[in-house]
Amino acid sequence: DAMVIQNPRYQVTQFGKPVTLSCSQTLNHNVMYWYQQKSSQAPKLLFHYYDKDFNNEADTPDNFQSRRPNTSFCFLDIRSPGLGDAAMYLCATSRLAGGPGLGQETQYFGPGTRLLVL
Amino acid sequence: AQSVAQPEDQVNVAEGNPLTVKCTYSVSGNPYLFWYVQYPNRGLQFLLKYITGDNLVKGSYGFEAEFNKSQTSFHLKKPSALVSDSALYFCAVRDPSGAGSYQLTFGKGTKLSVIP
Repeated sequence: DAMVIQNPRYQVTQFGKPVTLSCSQTLNHNVMYWYQQKSSQAPKLLFHYYDKDFNNEADTPDNFQSRRPNTSFCFLDIRSPGLGDAAMYLCATSRLAGGPGLGQETQYFGPGTRLLVL
Repeated sequence: AQSVAQPEDQVNVAEGNPLTVKCTYSVSGNPYLFWYVQYPNRGLQFLLKYITGDNLVKGSYGFEAEFNKSQTSFHLKKPSALVSDSALYFCAVRDPSGAGSYQLTFGKGTKLSVIP
């Protein structure tokens, strides 16, 4: 089945120790998103890739970076995790066709990676 | 700017009874509206969306939602609740006429508890 996969499902890191979260997709979607979701809150968009074009949200801290080496994979790098970065990180994908249909596309989410910072 | 409000943090309903989870939105143009469900420690699962046309949208697992433009609402409904419907529900909106029209804005979520 086509899907969005995130690894690992749970990640424990130390304060200040860089960590990388992984997302892959078999949907062949051209857009990949990273969201941060803290406990009992709405997902907050960090950034997204439209093909190779990186789009950062204005309020995303510099501590968060992303890489998309190919269509299928996207990584979230947290350079120096703080206690406040403990959260669920959600990867999503969509197929953006552009034109009159822009905005109608559905985002499909992976199961998430729960990050714990000690 | 686009925004969405879910006025209830929690909704409790008895199994077999109809359920409603409320959502209101604010956009400058015509909205695209979505409902997602999230089970504990899981990602979001798409339930349904409204783009245009019939105001009553049917989705997965027997859920449906009604778009009401005059009340700027998009309430999620199900005729008969199941215990397995207990989860966190998110409403989301996208304004295709706005800058960054790809961006999806989520509500805070409503926790649904179906009581056996």
